[in-house]
Amino acid sequence: KQEVTQIPAALSVPEGENLVLNCSFTDSAIYNLQWFRQDPGKGLTSLLLIQSSQREQTSGRLNASLDKSSGRSTLYIAASQPGDSATYLCAPSTGNQFYFGTGTSLTVIP
Amino acid sequence: KAGVTQTPRYLIKTRGQQVTLSCSPISGHRSVSWYQQTPGQGLQFLFEYFSETQRNKGNFPGRFSGRQFSNSRSEMNVSTLELGDSALYLCASSLYPENYEQYFGPGTRLTVT
Repeated sequence: KQEVTQIPAALSVPEGENLVLNCSFTDSAIYNLQWFRQDPGKGLTSLLLIQSSQREQTSGRLNASLDKSSGRSTLYIAASQPGDSATYLCAPSTGNQFYFGTGTSLTVIP
Repeated sequence: KAGVTQTPRYLIKTRGQQVTLSCSPISGHRSVSWYQQTPGQGLQFLFEYFSETQRNKGNFPGRFSGRQFSNSRSEMNVSTLELGDSALYLCASSLYPENYEQYFGPGTRLTVT
């Protein structure tokens, strides 16, 4: 069974800092990996999808990398803003079934 | 284009009752997946439907069931509710098989008393 670990569990940074969120997974036979953010009591918002043939994806201030062989992915957030405060979840998938970590709770302090 | 919609948004039920939750995917999406989110277990996969057929099923008891209609709308049903079924139930749709990217709805908050 796929186990997903996200480190750190919580992170508090001042506005403007660059930061890295880490995700590791036990089964490297994945099709894709998707990063999401979740605001309290809300659904998930898709941030980036990295297909298994890709090594990274970028969207605005976000950059996600994927190393399937080592079972790791990182999400890099540049120039953090208070609006980035949320829980960030990574989810590797086998086909259309996604496995979620417990997330990193990010607080960006103005 | 409208996003994934889920109804109802909030629900309070009593132990032993049954409940039906509804999900309408993004227009053109034919794959619908359901997830349960609890503080203790996090997000867990329930099942996935594509073209009215269940493709995958997670490790949940038979009290949890679902179906998909010809217009891709999906429903999930939980029978004989238990206190532990209290959770946020999330639905996601995708353009599978063309694209696996999941788009989530706002969820249905189920409270069992």
